[in-house]
Amino acid sequence: SQQGEEDPQALSIQEGENATMNCSYKTSINNLQWYRQNSGRGLVHLILIRSNEREKHSGRLRVTLDTSKKSSSLLITASRAADTASYFCATDAGNQFYFGTGTSLTVIP
Amino acid sequence: NAGVTQTPKFQVLKTGQSMTLQCAQDMNHNSMYWYRQDPGMGLRLIYYSASEGTTDKGEVPNGYNVSRLNKREFSLRLESAAPSQTSVYFCASRLNWGGAGTQYFGPGTRLTVL
Repeated sequence: SQQGEEDPQALSIQEGENATMNCSYKTSINNLQWYRQNSGRGLVHLILIRSNEREKHSGRLRVTLDTSKKSSSLLITASRAADTASYFCATDAGNQFYFGTGTSLTVIP
Repeated sequence: NAGVTQTPKFQVLKTGQSMTLQCAQDMNHNSMYWYRQDPGMGLRLIYYSASEGTTDKGEVPNGYNVSRLNKREFSLRLESAAPSQTSVYFCASRLNWGGAGTQYFGPGTRLTVL
């Protein structure tokens, strides 16, 4: 499978703390995207980073990409209870998306 | 603008029964996708349609068929359901095949096969 791996599988933090999750993948990519999934819902796109970019910011989100290591990280700063969800990375090689196994984030109020 | 809609939201089937999951998007997207999500796993691609009139197999196509009825609609059919097909099914669409477009997901169909 070309599916990515995410680490950790589960993460529990206090509100206000930062949350970092990592994604490793196997193939060359055009871009990498992060999605969020609230319990019982579909996935919602968060941020996209192209293969020629190393870092990208969007609000409280910071994404890094290291194509030499085939890895990416998502940092959520100043977490809120509403950030509780599962987070998935998806690699886009131009023809198909491959999703990681996800990180389940719990933010404790 | 409803985005991506899926019907039904829930379904229970007996082994051997057939059913069709419906998906429609109103964003004028060219590409559409069907995924399944199993506990503890990410999404796995079943079939995709790069553009109207074309369909291709994804990672886990066995036991499924699809139809791209028109630009808006992409249906997934289970001809003879098996318990291994118990899963949550998501439809998604993207503006174009390739490029740097994001996918927009429907709310999912929760299917149980007894």
